[in-house]
Amino acid sequence: NAGVTQTPKFQVLKTGQSMTLQCAQDMNHEYMSWYRQDPGMGLRLIHYSVGAGITDQGEVPNGYNVSRSTTEDFPLRLLSAAPSQTSVYFCASSYLGLAREQYFGPGTRLTVT
Amino acid sequence: AQSVTQLGSHVSVSEGALVLLRCNYSSSVPPYLFWYVQYPNQGLQLLLKYTTGATLVKGINGFEAEFKKSETSFHLTKPSAHMSDAAEYFCAVSEITGNQFYFGTGTSLTVIP
Repeated sequence: NAGVTQTPKFQVLKTGQSMTLQCAQDMNHEYMSWYRQDPGMGLRLIHYSVGAGITDQGEVPNGYNVSRSTTEDFPLRLLSAAPSQTSVYFCASSYLGLAREQYFGPGTRLTVT
Repeated sequence: AQSVTQLGSHVSVSEGALVLLRCNYSSSVPPYLFWYVQYPNQGLQLLLKYTTGATLVKGINGFEAEFKKSETSFHLTKPSAHMSDAAEYFCAVSEITGNQFYFGTGTSLTVIP
């Protein structure tokens, strides 16, 4: 049982490049989400999904796309990277309902130059 | 949307002293409440949660938190700090009728030997 996995761990992009951050979970969780963590700002929700084929925007969705074709995978796409997207990105998953504590991946540290 | 306030972005305590980390939320309807811990260069790990039932909740590593509806608070405590408790702590809430999690900005705990 690997929990929540994220790849890559580190990434450097040039402004304007695109890339996909991968997230996978093997706990059969309905709910998956992406956060970015910036100093002094805590975690801010980018996008989330309550099941395969269902996604919705969080607090800071601009510049990011997601899709959820399977229960296990929830990739985050940066369409045209900007320096403001330099951050640490965390993927998390959980059951819905009462047992909804989130399990977090180890994070991806992204730098956009 | 919910807001979560963590008073004190940095807290220092002596080893063996009481740890008190404060969290207040904005909702008039009691949400689900969580405390997470983040060690350097790692993802977040659940310390404890409140969903229903007893308002005093015990978690891992000797931490506990008390839900006080009248004060809209969920403060985290530990009777005796240990060096290994040095980390970043995040309070989070999730509305009972919603799917989003809202995080506070975090409190960095330093334990002084």
